[in-house]
Amino acid sequence: DAGVIQSPRHEVTEMGQEVTLRCKPISGHDYLFWYRQTMMRGLELLIYFNNNVPIDDSGMPEDRFSAKMPNASFSTLKIQPSEPRDSAVYFCASRGGQILRETQYFGPGTRLLVL
Amino acid sequence: AQKITQTQPGMFVQEKEAVTLDCTYDTSDQSYGLFWYKQPSSGEMIFLIYQGSYDEQNATEGRYSLNFQKARKSANLVISASQLGDSAMYFCAMRVLNFGNEKLTFGTGTRLTIIP
Repeated sequence: DAGVIQSPRHEVTEMGQEVTLRCKPISGHDYLFWYRQTMMRGLELLIYFNNNVPIDDSGMPEDRFSAKMPNASFSTLKIQPSEPRDSAVYFCASRGGQILRETQYFGPGTRLLVL
Repeated sequence: AQKITQTQPGMFVQEKEAVTLDCTYDTSDQSYGLFWYKQPSSGEMIFLIYQGSYDEQNATEGRYSLNFQKARKSANLVISASQLGDSAMYFCAMRVLNFGNEKLTFGTGTRLTIIP
């Protein structure tokens, strides 16, 4: 079975440009999570969805960040306009089930560098 | 608020020896889940093992076991017979439900290096 798929794997852009990160969760998983990993702050939850509906976006840093999940097999995280401090690795994760023990499975991550 | 503490920034272990990675947590919730993930240099996050707060037995997955001491709020990862491929960052994480919202909190990680 395919795991969580993220694209692109690497993105280099200039400050002010729009960046769109994409994620395809594991088929059948109804929870999808976006994380950001930096050396300074470690792994942080940005937002998560349940059945395509955003449940908790309290981790989204500011209005420049937005996330959508138009259907069960696709989600995007958009940064507009991008800034150098947005440089990080962005992970998408998904899980199934309704109980606490269900594991989140992570995608390979998108390494973003904003110049 | 939930907190995960990993006090070992880095560890060096001889190949084939066992290694224990420390993790302590803090939560006022009675129901929670504890996870360990491995992050090799390639960057992906690989799930290793899970322990539920109500599980009476320590979790085991192959060479990985979780030494769960609830009263001390510790969830140490034990890797038996370490291999060169075990060299990676290891993250401890805790999941709780806050007013129906799921929250997975990660520690700062331990970088494990296996020496041939």
